[in-house]
Amino acid sequence: QVTLKESGPGILQPSQTLSLTCSFSGFLLSASSVGVGWIRQPSGKGLEWLATIGWEDVKHYNPSLKSRLTISKDTSNNQVFLKITSVDTADTGTYYCAHSEDYSDYFDYWGQGVMVTVSS
Amino acid sequence: IMLTQSPATLSVTPGESISLSCRASQSISTNLHWYQQKPNESPRVLIKYASQSISGIPSRFSGSGSGTDFTLNINRVEPEDFSVYYCQQSNSWPLTFGSGTKLEIK
Repeated sequence: QVTLKESGPGILQPSQTLSLTCSFSGFLLSASSVGVGWIRQPSGKGLEWLATIGWEDVKHYNPSLKSRLTISKDTSNNQVFLKITSVDTADTGTYYCAHSEDYSDYFDYWGQGVMVTVSS
Repeated sequence: IMLTQSPATLSVTPGESISLSCRASQSISTNLHWYQQKPNESPRVLIKYASQSISGIPSRFSGSGSGTDFTLNINRVEPEDFSVYYCQQSNSWPLTFGSGTKLEIK
């Protein structure tokens, strides 16, 4: 059974760095072709893909945010991380991590999401 | 690749059959997937690769299309189907989502 759960700071101030953790079970990120992605959703708005990391540490980023994003993984502890630097109020929203069988594919399992608020 | 969904909102009566549209800015073959998102819930995938069914998803949901034009069909809308629907392309990076269609009760 695949499960994913996001965790984060809840609230942070503009210009700080947002650090998110996705803890997962039921699959191995070391398995061929598997990927974990981060997707965010401002309140009342649509979905925006941020980044995906694959089984051989291959990484892809949304070009609109690439300079601010870093995705990484700890395979032995079944965790994926996302850092977003220099946050501002536009980064407020719900952040999801999600599993894909093929890292460049659709997302078949999603975490419950974690709400992040950027406010001074 | 931009995905344009229409309409933005669709008001229907339970029992009606409907079609939602997703149009890609360039050809994406059949690398198009549909999600449903209910309020305060995570999205769940309904259809993969334009028309392939997903285990556990009711058979009233179906998809069609290829290239740039795609359709999600719901045969006889049930009360639990009123939510927001998104399409997503996986043909090329960056992965992109459409802006969504909200299905609401008339």
